[in-house]
Amino acid sequence: DIQMTQSPSSLSASVGDRVTITCQASQDVGKNFYWYQQKPGKAPKLVIYDASNLETGVPSRFSGSGSGTDFTLTISSLQPEDVGTYYCQQYDNLPLTFGPGTKVHIK
Amino acid sequence: EVQLVESGGGLVKPGGSLRLSCAASGFTFSTAWMFWVRQAPGKGLEWVGRIKETKYGGTTDHAAPVRGRFTLSRDDSKNTLYLQMNNLKPEDTAVYYCNTGARYWGQGTLVTVSS
Repeated sequence: DIQMTQSPSSLSASVGDRVTITCQASQDVGKNFYWYQQKPGKAPKLVIYDASNLETGVPSRFSGSGSGTDFTLTISSLQPEDVGTYYCQQYDNLPLTFGPGTKVHIK
Repeated sequence: EVQLVESGGGLVKPGGSLRLSCAASGFTFSTAWMFWVRQAPGKGLEWVGRIKETKYGGTTDHAAPVRGRFTLSRDDSKNTLYLQMNNLKPEDTAVYYCNTGARYWGQGTLVTVSS
């Protein structure tokens, strides 16, 4: 199974700050990679697909980069509505696997 | 508008069974590969299984923790995805989501396994 690690596990930042979350896969997954945002009591929402493509309707302050084993999600200017937990996921191989999540808080 | 609506969750005793349903609308269900993902209370996301479209035989794949106990199936005439869960264990307690792979998710249905 492909193991996914995320860092940090949580972060607290001020409105307007640049925020970066990283995810590492235990083996090469190419660009078969997603980022999700999840708010409490809600289903995950797709933010980035194929590692670097912004999902329709997602604000342009979100961006994704990386390929192979190392991936990054960047929020260029953190907004209050960005609070939540962010998960990465690889879909290169079964079983599909998710990272453990990064909780984002506002200072 | 794409909609996925799960149902069938509830409280069940260890060793019991439950069948979840996921009613789909707003897209061509018969050509969609469909997935179940679960989330234990306060925990992260865990893939449960996948079913291919009928053109590919409706082939299923299941995660190791549920293999042999859970079965994905689909009824394209009803635009509905199913998850038959047998021999349930307390560690199966979770919100179960159906999705189309990444973009569209249901609201989830809670399964609680407890005596």
